[in-house]
Amino acid sequence: ETGVTQTPRHLVMGMTNKKSLKCEQHLGHNAMYWYKQSAKKPLELMFVYSLEERVENNSVPSRFSPECPNSSHLFLHLHTLQPEDSALYLCASSRTQGEAFFGQGTRLTVV
Amino acid sequence: DAKTTQPPSMDCAEGRAANLPCNHSTISGNEYVYWYRQIHSQGPQYIIHGLKNNETNEMASLIITEDRKSSTLILPHATLRDTAVYYCIVTSGGSNYKLTFGKGTLLTVNP
Repeated sequence: ETGVTQTPRHLVMGMTNKKSLKCEQHLGHNAMYWYKQSAKKPLELMFVYSLEERVENNSVPSRFSPECPNSSHLFLHLHTLQPEDSALYLCASSRTQGEAFFGQGTRLTVV
Repeated sequence: DAKTTQPPSMDCAEGRAANLPCNHSTISGNEYVYWYRQIHSQGPQYIIHGLKNNETNEMASLIITEDRKSSTLILPHATLRDTAVYYCIVTSGGSNYKLTFGKGTLLTVNP
């Protein structure tokens, strides 16, 4: 248990569906991150929020839409995904320096 | 952030020390060296970090060369549960703080 909770742990969705991934931390961290990990590939940083402002968006397609309503919560809204978007989506949080804590991830399958 | 180079894989016998090398020859003065590991299909786990002095905690030791161009993570008594991908990451703090993962080193601890 890292203090970063992601829900759901597994998600199967059709290409026309809309779903959201949720991440929650109560560690007092002021930065939160979304990462994508496809099979046998390194983790890819998708989005970075610092003090609830998006500070980085690594050329992620618009079918992925992040939301950070407060310092404890982070969402990733998904719509019209493709099968190649199937991956493990990981959330992390940290202070602006020091260790990051990762959730256990959401295993997403797009059918 | 400076790039890092790690061997793709290493083996270690159970109970022996595992020494994982990392090269970061372009590291700048304000960049820290972080180590994380990822056990299969789980979120990455923080291990240790340092700036220029050697560091030790309950999990591992981090040895950074005097010129800071390379470092070694030492697991003093490896167990089967230490089998994982180990990532060496160099990053600065502050508003630019983020973790960019490479391919890491797959450490396999053998009985």
